[in-house]
Amino acid sequence: EDQVTQSPEALRLQEGESSSLNCSYTVSGLRGLFWYRQDPGKGPEFLFTLYSAGEEKEKERLKATLTKKESFLHITAPKPEDSATYLCAVQVYGQNFVFGPGTRLSVLP
Amino acid sequence: DVKVTQSSRYLVKRTGEKVFLECVQDMDHENMFWYRQDPGLGLRLIYFSYDVKMKEKGDIPEGYSVSREKKERFSLILESTSTNQTSMYLCASKGMGGTYEQYFGPGTRLTVT
Repeated sequence: EDQVTQSPEALRLQEGESSSLNCSYTVSGLRGLFWYRQDPGKGPEFLFTLYSAGEEKEKERLKATLTKKESFLHITAPKPEDSATYLCAVQVYGQNFVFGPGTRLSVLP
Repeated sequence: DVKVTQSSRYLVKRTGEKVFLECVQDMDHENMFWYRQDPGLGLRLIYFSYDVKMKEKGDIPEGYSVSREKKERFSLILESTSTNQTSMYLCASKGMGGTYEQYFGPGTRLTVT
């Protein structure tokens, strides 16, 4: 069974304190891995797509990396406005996407 | 920018009532999806459509139906609501082929009492 897990479930950081979120997957065939940001009461907002092991993508304070079994979302010197839930999803075949439960990030000023 | 809109942000219904949720996208995307999101369970796919009048069941289609009469619109129908359908409902759209990302609407928070 295709499965995506994320850790930690929740993370509290002080402003400027860098850290990483993990997305681990067990799937039959990875076509792409996606990171989304979701603010409370809103729909997920697309951040990155990664396709193959070793690939990296960056956007402002965020950097996503991919290995054969997991992906990391590194947050460098976070600010309070980075507080959100970060979702990971994998596309396994066709239009079939499997989402992880998310990591709830809080950045305190 | 891709825009996906949903007909309601909040809905409160009584058990047994019919609910019609509409989603509209403005990017001429072929694929459209309906998910529900519940705490601790993540997003679960209810139905998706890859073309007008075409639909496929997702992981949890029971108690739901869908309609896609026009390319830009994808509707989710709950014929007779039950309390276990209280959830956040999210619509998404995606271009054809490859591994393009999905774009999500703002969501509809449905409460069934």
